[in-house]
Amino acid sequence: ETGVTQSPTHLIKTRGQQVTLRCSSQSGHNTVSWYQQALGQGPQFIFQYYREEENGRGNFPPRFSGLQFPNYSSELNVNALELDDSALYLCASSTGPKNSGANVLTFGAGSRLTVL
Amino acid sequence: AQRVTQPEKLLSVFKGAPVELKCNYSYSGSPELFWYVQYSRQRLQLLLRHISRESIKGFTADLNKGETSFHLKKPFAQEEDSAMYYCALKGGGYQKVTFGTGTKLQVIP
Repeated sequence: ETGVTQSPTHLIKTRGQQVTLRCSSQSGHNTVSWYQQALGQGPQFIFQYYREEENGRGNFPPRFSGLQFPNYSSELNVNALELDDSALYLCASSTGPKNSGANVLTFGAGSRLTVL
Repeated sequence: AQRVTQPEKLLSVFKGAPVELKCNYSYSGSPELFWYVQYSRQRLQLLLRHISRESIKGFTADLNKGETSFHLKKPFAQEEDSAMYYCALKGGGYQKVTFGTGTKLQVIP
């Protein structure tokens, strides 16, 4: 059983650029959630994908967007990067909504984004 | 709206002392509560969930709906318990999980 993998692990961008972060879900999981964790804060929910559709969104602007692919992997895209977007971006996978373990999140190690 | 509050950023206890990490929540419906833990250089992982009513690594947590609390307890702290602990709540129809800001537990030998 493979866990959640994220890439890249670290990256540096400048203001105004765009970034794509990638996530492969754990084997057997079909739901992917993305979280932003700023320094000293808890993870903040960005959005969730289930069956290749956005299935809920937190308080993030539209320049944060995502995709889920048929193999359940996912991408997080951020356009027009701002300095405050510097954070650790966590991907978490889980089973579908009707599964008894559906609410348990399995996290990746994260992608640390620095915006200069 | 759902909110999770962890009032302590840092909790230092001596080895063998009891531990209580506080968590209070705000949610109008029936939430599901969790504790997640992050050990040094490891990824965030589930410690326990209230519906399981189980003890993991000696930790327990009881959901108190009257006080809207879900405090994490352990009678005797061990050095390996040193980690960052996050309380989390799931409410709503989809799986949005809201996390608190976390408490760093430091167990002093």
